Amino acid sequence: EAQVTQNPRYLITVTGKKLTVTCSQNMNHEYMSWYRQDPGLGLRQIYYSMNVEVTDKGDVPEGYKVSRKEKRNFPLILESPSPNQTSLYFCASRYTGLGTEAFFGQGTRLTVV
Amino acid sequence: AQSVTQLDSHVSVSEGTPVLLRCNYSSSYSPSLFWYVQHPNKGLQLLLKYTSAATLVKGINGFEAEFKKSETSFHLTKPSAHMSDAAEYFCVVSAMEYGNKLVFGAGTILRVKS
Repeated sequence: EAQVTQNPRYLITVTGKKLTVTCSQNMNHEYMSWYRQDPGLGLRQIYYSMNVEVTDKGDVPEGYKVSRKEKRNFPLILESPSPNQTSLYFCASRYTGLGTEAFFGQGTRLTVV
Repeated sequence: AQSVTQLDSHVSVSEGTPVLLRCNYSSSYSPSLFWYVQHPNKGLQLLLKYTSAATLVKGINGFEAEFKKSETSFHLTKPSAHMSDAAEYFCVVSAMEYGNKLVFGAGTILRVKS
């Protein structure tokens, strides 16, 4: 089954404790991205990757890191989480090009206390 | 100007009545447009997409949307709401001026009353 898998689904952590949210896709998509969803703001792109070893900042990259060492995986790293990073996070993948639909993971609800 | 504007943050309808979720976009080029649905505690699922073919697009679960270039609109409709349609809906645009990025509207929460 074609899917994007993120883990964990829920995470509560303390300020400053490094964490990683994993994302994996099995559709051989070139393009992967991370979004955060906050009430009334829709989804905002954090980082994206157009292929292996190619990553770039989205609209709200501050406080986040990513890597793309393999085509299927695109982890999101918070080196020193802060309470303003409490949010719902989604990973997505798609083929590169206009008009291609994105496939989303189930989401990771992160709370930073 | 906003790239994608969803004109209503909340819409409430009675079961069995029509649904209209409004979306306006901004693009100088021929855009691709999408509607996604997000049920509580779920990821986003594609409802339908427009990519410069027929202007009336049919999607899953009885939804459809019409691309109107003159009005820069892509409103989502359904003739008869069902309780299971209660969810948040996102209008999304993909266009050359936004690079390879999908640009999301702020979302519309649909409530269906019994």
